[in-house]
Amino acid sequence: DIQMTQSPSSLSASVGDRVTITCRASQSISSYLNWYQQKPGKAPKLLIYAASSLQSGVPSRFSGSGSGTDFTLTISSLQPEDFATYYCQQTYSTPPFTFGPGTKVGIK
Amino acid sequence: QVQLVQSGAEVKKPGASVKVSCKASGYTFTNYGFGWVRQAPGQGLEWMGWISAYNGNTNYAQKLQGRVSMTTDTSTSTAYMELRSLTSDDTAVYYCARGLIAFQITNGFDPWGQGTLVTVSS
Repeated sequence: DIQMTQSPSSLSASVGDRVTITCRASQSISSYLNWYQQKPGKAPKLLIYAASSLQSGVPSRFSGSGSGTDFTLTISSLQPEDFATYYCQQTYSTPPFTFGPGTKVGIK
Repeated sequence: QVQLVQSGAEVKKPGASVKVSCKASGYTFTNYGFGWVRQAPGQGLEWMGWISAYNGNTNYAQKLQGRVSMTTDTSTSTAYMELRSLTSDDTAVYYCARGLIAFQITNGFDPWGQGTLVTVSS
């Protein structure tokens, strides 16, 4: 199975900050990488699919990049509603479609 | 609008089975696949498996092989996940999620159901 890691595991930031989260796959997954946002008590929400495609309705301050094994999610200007946990997920080839362990973005 | 509505919370004893439903609306049910994901209390997301609503093909996570079954009922646009021989380690919120793009599952999952809490306790 493909293993996913994320860094950092948590971070503290202020409103308006630029935030970058990294996700790494244990083998090349081309661009089959998705990012989700999850708030406490809620279901995950798809933000980015295929590494860099913004899901409909998601604010443009969110962006994704990368291919192969290394990927990043960037929030260009952190807003109060962005404090949440972010997960990457690989959907390369056939299942299992493993998730990263998550990155919790908290308030500084 | 596209919506997935899951069945309510369950409390089960060790060794029992649970069947969670996920009723879809707002789109052509058979054109999309479903993933099932669970989240233990305070933990991350765990991939459980996938089912095609088009032809019923399934793929299950190896650690759940033999205990999990995923099915669909096209007449009611409902997907089901059954987990057997429950232990306390199966206590989690269980989510269904639809493939983003018709006939594909390689571009992520959206939307998601609201989640179903399954508690396993004696």
